[in-house]
Amino acid sequence: EAEVAQSPRYKITEKSQAVAFWCDPISGHATLYWYRQILGQGPELLVQFQDESVVDDSQLPKDRFSAERLKGVDSTLKIQPAELGDSAMYLCASSLSQDYGYTFGSGTRLTVV
Amino acid sequence: QKEVEQNSGPLSVPEGAIASLNCTYSDRGSQSFFWYRQYSGKSPELIMSIYSNGDKEDGRFTAQLNKASQYVSLLIRDSQPSDSATYLCAVKGGYNKLIFGAGTRLAVHP
Repeated sequence: EAEVAQSPRYKITEKSQAVAFWCDPISGHATLYWYRQILGQGPELLVQFQDESVVDDSQLPKDRFSAERLKGVDSTLKIQPAELGDSAMYLCASSLSQDYGYTFGSGTRLTVV
Repeated sequence: QKEVEQNSGPLSVPEGAIASLNCTYSDRGSQSFFWYRQYSGKSPELIMSIYSNGDKEDGRFTAQLNKASQYVSLLIRDSQPSDSATYLCAVKGGYNKLIFGAGTRLAVHP
């Protein structure tokens, strides 16, 4: 079964350092999403791509977060500088079309110390 | 008011019983609804989708939708300890994005 690939699985970083996450969606899925899930809460959308274009980044803290999907396939989410409050699970998902739910990757658990 | 609301639980049910999980949403224009299961430390896994009023059954799972009441529910029949997880309700909003509730934690005890 096709999967959304994410790396790394776990990341520990010090406050004020830079950190990056990578995601490779299911082949053929044009829509890619980055979500952040704080422990005990539901996932919250950070950014949505349609091919290489950003569709929605209204909840992305743009002073420290950036996301790109240069060739419309894989994507990178970066945080610089990391803050203690960024500790969370970062989830990537892709979708074939608006009639389907998302398929999530395994996520990256970030701990900022 | 949150866009998608769920009781955080925990909902505790005995093995073999029916677990009933509920969700309300605020956007009357929503058309697509999803239930995800999330085990501790894992990513969400899609278990059901529903788009029309009424019931949709898949194995031991039944999703129910009432758009007039802005209410979605998930029934799990013959609950098993392996069903113990957090169940996330999600509603599709603008730009095709999924808006999640905070989840209901289900505990099935032997």
